[in-house]
Amino acid sequence: DAMVIQNPRYQVTQFGKPVTLSCSQTLNHNVMYWYQQKSSQAPKLLFHYYDKDFNNEADTPDNFQSRRPNTSFCFLDIRSPGLGDAAMYLCATSRPGVDEQFFGPGTRLTVL
Amino acid sequence: AQSVTQLGSHVSVSEGALVLLRCNYSSSVPPYLFWYVQYPNQGLQLLLKYTTGATLVKGINGFEAEFKKSETSFHLTKPSAHMSDAAEYFCAVSDILTGGGNKLTFGTGTQLKVEL
Repeated sequence: DAMVIQNPRYQVTQFGKPVTLSCSQTLNHNVMYWYQQKSSQAPKLLFHYYDKDFNNEADTPDNFQSRRPNTSFCFLDIRSPGLGDAAMYLCATSRPGVDEQFFGPGTRLTVL
Repeated sequence: AQSVTQLGSHVSVSEGALVLLRCNYSSSVPPYLFWYVQYPNQGLQLLLKYTTGATLVKGINGFEAEFKKSETSFHLTKPSAHMSDAAEYFCAVSDILTGGGNKLTFGTGTQLKVEL
């Protein structure tokens, strides 16, 4: 089945220790997104890629970076995690334009 | 900017009863509207979407929603609740992004509880 896969499902890191979250897709979609969802809140878009073109949301902190080495994979790098970065991180994909987004199961990040 | 408002952060229904989850939108252009469901520690799954055409939209698991422009609403309904419907439901409106793709702006979510 075509799908969006996120690894790991649970990630624990220490305050200030860089961490990388991974997303892969078998849908061959052009667009990939990263969302942050804090406890009991709605998901919030951090940035997205259209092919290799990176697009950052204006209010996304500099602490968050992303890489997309090819169509299938996208990474979220948090350079110096703070306690406030503890959240569920959701990866999603879509075709261009207004279209359904397909979400992965998420990675729950804990910062100690 | 487009936005959605979900009335009721928690809704509780009995098994077999009607489910009604409310969503109102604000948009200066014809909106594209979505309902997603999220089970604990899972990603979001699309229930249904409205883009153009028929205003009554049928989705998965027996859910449907009606786009009412005059009321700026897109309420989600299901005639008969099942225990497996217990989850969080998000209404969202979509904006085209200049960089391609679309940005989903979500409501604050409604936690649905189904009781025996």
